[in-house]
Amino acid sequence: DIQMTQSPSSLSASVGDRVTITCRASQSISSYLNWYQQKPGKAPKLLIYAAFSLQSGVPSRFSGSGSGTDFTLTISSLQPEDFATYYCQQSYSTLPYTFGQGTKLEIK
Amino acid sequence: QVQLQESGPGLVKPSGTLSLTCAVSGGSISSTNWWSWVRQPPGKGLEWIGEIYHSGSTNYNPSLKSRVTISVDKSKNQFSLKLTSVTAADTAVYYCARVLSAGALNFDYWGQGTLVTVSS
Repeated sequence: DIQMTQSPSSLSASVGDRVTITCRASQSISSYLNWYQQKPGKAPKLLIYAAFSLQSGVPSRFSGSGSGTDFTLTISSLQPEDFATYYCQQSYSTLPYTFGQGTKLEIK
Repeated sequence: QVQLQESGPGLVKPSGTLSLTCAVSGGSISSTNWWSWVRQPPGKGLEWIGEIYHSGSTNYNPSLKSRVTISVDKSKNQFSLKLTSVTAADTAVYYCARVLSAGALNFDYWGQGTLVTVSS
């Protein structure tokens, strides 16, 4: 299996801050990397697909970058509704698709 | 707007079989998409269980493959999950999701999730 490791596991930040979350793959996955946001009690929501493509309806303050093994999700100016847990997911290999362990973004 | 809705028992006895169904509305299960199950134990991360195409082709997570069966019912526009020989470790919120091929295969539509507890 391809292992996905996110850092940090948790993060405290303030409204208006610029935040970066990192995801590292255990082997090269080209650009087959997606990012999701999950709020408590809710299903994950697709934010970014194929490393840097913004899903329709997602605010432009979210951006993704990277290729190979190292990827980042950046939120340019945190809004109150952005406090959530974020997951990366690789689809380079179908067997199996794997997720990072999650990064919990909390209000400072 | 595609919508997915999971249904099934919320409580399953140890060694029993977990059975869930995902009803798809607002789109056809016979479209050019795969359909997946993903689970999340309480307070933990996401684990992909497997996927199915409307033809009946399946892919499973090797860690669960011996216990999992995913099937499709095109007449009802739904797909189903069966997980046998369950233990407490299978307690989780189970989500169904659509797999979209757009550069990278991703899960673009999700059900709201259903909590299944394994307990006697």
